[in-house]
Amino acid sequence: NAGVTQTPKFQVLKTGQSMTLQCAQDMNHEYMSWYRQDPGMGLRLIHYSVGAGITDQGEVPNGYNVSRSTTEDFPLRLLSAAPSQTSVYFCASGQGQGNYGYTFGSGTRLTVV
Amino acid sequence: GDSVTQMEGPVTLSEEAFLTINCTYTATGYPSLFWYVQYPGEGLQLLLKATKADDKGSNKGFEATYRKETTSFHLEKGSVQVSDSAVYFCALQQGAQKLVFGQGTRLTINP
Repeated sequence: NAGVTQTPKFQVLKTGQSMTLQCAQDMNHEYMSWYRQDPGMGLRLIHYSVGAGITDQGEVPNGYNVSRSTTEDFPLRLLSAAPSQTSVYFCASGQGQGNYGYTFGSGTRLTVV
Repeated sequence: GDSVTQMEGPVTLSEEAFLTINCTYTATGYPSLFWYVQYPGEGLQLLLKATKADDKGSNKGFEATYRKETTSFHLEKGSVQVSDSAVYFCALQQGAQKLVFGQGTRLTINP
């Protein structure tokens, strides 16, 4: 099925561990982004990419790294997890121009203990 | 910077009631406006959108009109159903495909 696929759906990490949240889309979208969702705070943009090889920081980038080596994939890396990174993470993709809205993945629920 | 403000929730209504969820925005220029819906345990889905002033977006019985003079994009539905229970997010998009979200409004419909 076409769309945005995120893995894993759930993850528990210990403080200081590292991990990568995977995101893949098969719609040939130029734009991809990562958001975190916290209670009462809506969605906040972490990093985004407007095409392969191009990434930029969003509103809350600290503690996260991204890369975009292909159009399809946009992984999010936590180098040293902290309890403040406990959240639900959403990947989204969209067409390069125009106002078509985004397609979201189903999310990854991350708990850092 | 750009921002979106939604009415605080949670909102609880009875089935067949009229729904309004208020959304106002602050932005330079002329953003596109969106409503997204998030059902329990799922990601966000685009519900409707409007790209210029006075446009009306509609989908699944929901409507919202882009009001430039009041910088608003209120979501309405004439008769809600239990299946409409979800969290609703208002958002704007301006340049470089960056969406800015409101904080979300949780809606519960009782039978």
